[in-house]
Amino acid sequence: DIRMTQSPASLSASLGETVNIECLASEDIYSDLAWYQQKPGKSPQLLIYNANSLQNGVPSRFSGSGSGTQYSLKINSLQSEDVATYFCQQYNNYPPYTFGAGTKLELK
Amino acid sequence: QVTLKESGPGILQPSQTLSLTCTFSGFSLSTYGMGVGWIRQPSGKGLEWLANIWWDDDKYYNPSLKNRLTISKDTSNNQAFLKITNVDTADTATYYCARMGYGYNFFDYWGQGVMVTVSS
Repeated sequence: DIRMTQSPASLSASLGETVNIECLASEDIYSDLAWYQQKPGKSPQLLIYNANSLQNGVPSRFSGSGSGTQYSLKINSLQSEDVATYFCQQYNNYPPYTFGAGTKLELK
Repeated sequence: QVTLKESGPGILQPSQTLSLTCTFSGFSLSTYGMGVGWIRQPSGKGLEWLANIWWDDDKYYNPSLKNRLTISKDTSNNQAFLKITNVDTADTATYYCARMGYGYNFFDYWGQGVMVTVSS
């Protein structure tokens, strides 16, 4: 199984700040990576797929980058509605599809 | 508009079989490239993929649970199903179904989730 290691596990940032969340795969996943946002009490929502493609309807302050084993999610100009837990998922080598453990983003 | 909604028993006892239903609209599981997956999340924890089924009835299971899982679909009624046999307290979680569109192996639309508790 491919292990997905997310960092940090939690993060506190101020409104308007830029935030970066990292995801490290245990082997090359060839950009087959998605990012999801899960707000408290809600189901996950797709933000980014293929490492850097923005899902329809997702604000442009969200962006994804990376290749090989290292990937990141960037949130520019943090808004209050961005408070959530973020998960990465690899879909290059399956079964199983595997997720990172999540990064909990809070406001400072 | 794509929507999915899960339903299940709420609570069941250890060793019983968990039966979950995903009722969806806005797409068809008879359309080329469409799929539905099941993912679960224990309270306060991460996401675990369980299984998925494709339009052509191809099925994939998480190897760690494979012997206990059965996924199926009813195309005419826009439903997908998951059965988990011999449940244990470790199966207590919120269970989500999600669409896998156009042959993509990620989940672009999710249901609201259904909470399942295994307790004696």
